[in-house]
Amino acid sequence: EAGVTQSPTHLIKTRGQQATLRCSPISGHTCVYWYQQALGLGLQFLLWYDEGEERNRGNFPPRFSGRQFPNYSSELNVNALELEDSALYLCASSTGRGPQPQHFGDGTRLSIL
Amino acid sequence: KNQVEQSPQSLIILEGKNCTLQCNYTVSPFSNLRWYKQDTGRGPVSLTIMTFSENTKSNGRYTATLDADTKQSSLHITASQLSDSASYICVVSARGSYIPTFGRGTSLIVHP
Repeated sequence: EAGVTQSPTHLIKTRGQQATLRCSPISGHTCVYWYQQALGLGLQFLLWYDEGEERNRGNFPPRFSGRQFPNYSSELNVNALELEDSALYLCASSTGRGPQPQHFGDGTRLSIL
Repeated sequence: KNQVEQSPQSLIILEGKNCTLQCNYTVSPFSNLRWYKQDTGRGPVSLTIMTFSENTKSNGRYTATLDADTKQSSLHITASQLSDSASYICVVSARGSYIPTFGRGTSLIVHP
């Protein structure tokens, strides 16, 4: 069974540009979560999608947005990139609502120059 | 405010030795606690998940304990191996909340 897959593995952008990160959940998982892990910091919750709907978002500005497609894959979009957006962006999926063990992908390393 | 504090921040041990990592939390009402292992450049991988009624859970050389009264958990690693070098993250979920609270992790380095 394939795990959570994320693309691209690495992404290099400059300030002010826009970045799109993609995530494919484990087959059968309907919930997708996005996290930011900046160097030396813990995981910070960004967004949660379930059945195509945004269910919750963390304390991040509106330039962080995303969506979930009918096949449950998801995109994270970051507009007007800033230097502090440099981080590992992790996607996780689970089978449904409620505190579920979340299965993580290996992340997209976003570097802002 | 729900918080998860882990200690120590980093730990260096020799191969073959045992070690214990600590996790204190203020998350309430408690639902479950998970320990993850995160290798450098990889996503976290679940080691154990414990609910309120569970005191101990093992996964190979990893043993997690939970004291729901004092709101403390520990992860004990027995006979450490070089491959145990990683960050260990404690994650606590509150009942009724779908977003867990993550600790900052303990960075473990195992030297030969």
